[in-house]
Amino acid sequence: AQSVTQLDSQVPVFEEAPVELRCNYSSSVSVYLFWYVQYPNQGLQLLLKYLSGSTLVKGINGFEAEFNKSQTSFHLRKPSVHISDTAEYFCAVSGSSGTYKYIFGTGTRLKVLA
Amino acid sequence: NAGVMQNPRHLVRRRGQEARLRCSPMKGHSHVYWYRQLPEEGLKFMVYLQKENIIDESGMPKERFSAEFPKEGPSILRIQQVVRGDSAAYFCASLQGANTGELFFGEGSRLTVL
Repeated sequence: AQSVTQLDSQVPVFEEAPVELRCNYSSSVSVYLFWYVQYPNQGLQLLLKYLSGSTLVKGINGFEAEFNKSQTSFHLRKPSVHISDTAEYFCAVSGSSGTYKYIFGTGTRLKVLA
Repeated sequence: NAGVMQNPRHLVRRRGQEARLRCSPMKGHSHVYWYRQLPEEGLKFMVYLQKENIIDESGMPKERFSAEFPKEGPSILRIQQVVRGDSAAYFCASLQGANTGELFFGEGSRLTVL
């Protein structure tokens, strides 16, 4: 079974400042990892994913994340945020073979301040 | 999110009534997931279905909730005798095949129980 922990429920940051949203996972099998973004009253949109290969993954809107197997982490980063990045961000994990359940964290609300 | 269609987007029911939420997956996708999102909480897995089969319903409440994904037509999440605690956003997501990558989400159905 897999689980995901997003320790920060809210992260305020000023516009043009860097941000890191933390995600830790646990799993007894190899995993796929995902970050999704949710804007108010909308569904979830994929930001980026790690399936295999390079541990540094680049996604849309200037976001990137690094898969760290030893620390079981998949933190999301952006070097300079915009007001439009204000949203809820969800980390998710699924097993990479033989399993099918996608487990989501509780989310981190990013609030970008002018 | 393009392609996964959920309806209705908003549904209001009185206690004791039935709610039916529909989800049409992306074209070519044969796997459907349902998640529930309560205010200030993350997404909770409810059920995973393939065409005509329930693969995992471990997240479904034991009573009043049911789901199906018939050979023809959309997947349906049915909630009988709704109570106020059922008020939430219900999201459907589809997947092309097991372990093929990310889930694609619909815009959600927001159920309000009066």
